[in-house]
This record gives sequence, C-alpha cells and structure tokens, in this order.
Amino acid sequence: QVQLVQSGAEVKKPGASVKVSCKASGYTFTGYSFTWVRQAPGQGFEWMGWINVHNGDTNFAQKFQGRVTMTTDTSTSTAYMELRSLRSDDTAVYYCARLLCSSATCPLDYWGQGTLVTVSS
Amino acid sequence: QSVLTQPPSVSGAPGQRVTISCTGSSSNIGAAYDVQWYQQLPGTAPKLLMYGNTNRPSGVPDRFSGSKSGTSASLAITGLQAEDEADYYCQSHDSSLSGSVFGGGTKLTVL
Repeated sequence: QVQLVQSGAEVKKPGASVKVSCKASGYTFTGYSFTWVRQAPGQGFEWMGWINVHNGDTNFAQKFQGRVTMTTDTSTSTAYMELRSLRSDDTAVYYCARLLCSSATCPLDYWGQGTLVTVSS
Repeated sequence: QSVLTQPPSVSGAPGQRVTISCTGSSSNIGAAYDVQWYQQLPGTAPKLLMYGNTNRPSGVPDRFSGSKSGTSASLAITGLQAEDEADYYCQSHDSSLSGSVFGGGTKLTVL
C-alpha cells in the first residue's frame, strides 16, 4: 500500500535551515509528483509548492520563493523540502503529499504523517 | 485569512445530515477548478475524502457526497456517525496565486 514516511520533529533557531524528508513506498515513485503543505498550530493548511518528480520542475508559493527548495532522489524514492532563514512563524507541522496526477491542480491523494518544525531561540 | 471560506463549525446528531460549505471566487472555484475535501481526525494527517468535486476515493462511504456550483462547493454527510467527528477542509487551485488554496477548516461535532 502507498506510504509516505516523513523525518522526525526538528527544533531550530531563528535564521537556521531545516530539511524534511518524505520516503515513499508502495508505488512507482517517478509516476507521481509531490506537494508540500504546512499547518501552523491551530490553523488551516498553507500550500508551499510542488515538484514534478519526472522532470524536476518546481513551482513555489510566492511567499516562500527564495527561501524554499524542493528536490527528489529517485534512487531512494524520497522527496525533500528545505526551508531557510527560519522565523518563529515558520513553526508548523509540515506535510508532504502525493499528487494524484502531475499537475499542481491535482488532488492530494496520500499524505505523510507530518513533521513538526519548531523555531525558537 | 484563508482564500476559501468555510464555517468554523457544524454539528448534528447521530443519523442526521449536515452540510459544509466552501466559498471561493472567480480565480479558483469559479474558474472551473475542481474542489477536493479532506478529513482530518485529531492528531492525524489529512485523508482525501472527495476529489473532482463529486468523486469518492475507494473506501470512502457513500454517506459522503460533494457538489459544486458557481463559486461554491459543498460537502454533505448523511447518517452521521460518531466516527465522523473531525475537521474538514476544502481545497482548490487558484489561478492568480498559481497554486493550491485551502479553506480554514470546519470542525464537525456529532452531538
């Protein structure tokens, strides 16, 4: 069955970077793309961007442009999201999610369990 | 402030029917982009509940149904069960933002 397993919780200081991993299994990794979404404590979801696993193309929300990188490693079926210059308001649970098709408009059919990133001095 | 607007909460007794609305604009739902719905149980990752406005993934009971009209969409749940108590989020694509947008979420309480 499809599984997305994310890396563990992180605590970072303001200005630092964090890299979250999302290891996929149960399907052909290169056949689907990924999006990353975050959820601040008690809040709704915020879309960060997506990556086309097939060709590596990315598209980021304007809010995160210049601060976020999304990559994949097809040899390990793992997607990565790196966020730099962290601020306290970046404290959130970060989710990877598989896109049902290779477009940013597609549904998110499977989600990782989430990774809590806490930014605190 | 979320781009898509949902009521913060709805409630209903077991067996009853409830609906959750999701209101957008001409750059998202009104631009013919599909609406998805996700169910998030406390402390867990979201689960895709409805996609393409009206389609249920395998395993989702037919008590759940979706609809869309103009700049709005709705999720209906009939025959409410205690296990339906969760947060529900709508999601679509926005052409002006060139990305996904979500509703703020609706907490369903089964009385």
